[in-house]
Amino acid sequence: GAVVSQHPSRVICKSGTSVKIECRSLDFQATTMFWYRQFPKKSLMLMATSNEGSKATYEQGVEKDKFLINHASLTLSTLTVTSAHPEDSSFYICSAPVQGGMDEQYFGPGTRLTVT
Amino acid sequence: GNSVTQMEGPVTLSEEAFLTINCTYTATGYPSLFWYVQYPGEGLQLLLKATKADDKGSNKGFEATYRKETTSFHLEKGSVQVSDSAVYFCALAGDSSYKLIFGSGTRLLVRP
Repeated sequence: GAVVSQHPSRVICKSGTSVKIECRSLDFQATTMFWYRQFPKKSLMLMATSNEGSKATYEQGVEKDKFLINHASLTLSTLTVTSAHPEDSSFYICSAPVQGGMDEQYFGPGTRLTVT
Repeated sequence: GNSVTQMEGPVTLSEEAFLTINCTYTATGYPSLFWYVQYPGEGLQLLLKATKADDKGSNKGFEATYRKETTSFHLEKGSVQVSDSAVYFCALAGDSSYKLIFGSGTRLLVRP
């Protein structure tokens, strides 16, 4: 089946630095990808919709200047957490819809970000 | 707005026990409903889905029926195995959007 990868799987950074997380669709093209944030023992919260060739659409309450999203190609979306703070520590997950079935999605394995 | 509510865990069962994880939803229109599973150290995987009322989704012995009258999509399995230990998420996609709205997740622990 279709696979979505994320890199890195874990990252530790210092406060004030920026971190880039990559999401790739490995054997299919994805004009749309989604970025989620998962807090410990909580559900996934949709952060933004990444659109290839155009600006991302952010959910209410998500700072677009802090969480920069770039969908550079049909197989790659990146999320950059700028000027990271400890409260940004979380599990970030991306997903891409199944072609022809937009309501079904493939999920990446997630990236654990720890900001010290 | 759309929302999903599922029972809090953890749910601890012995092997071969019957499993029910409750899920109810609030949505306008006719959403599609899903159960996703997250095994330890892995990403979410689609377990089953139903796209219209009275549909039954099934996979790997798990079943869930789309009940519009009770706005529910409860997950059931007749005989759980240790390998079913995971976190289960109920989710919906609105009929005018493919954004997934997730419930809070229910951790299932099956003991030998």
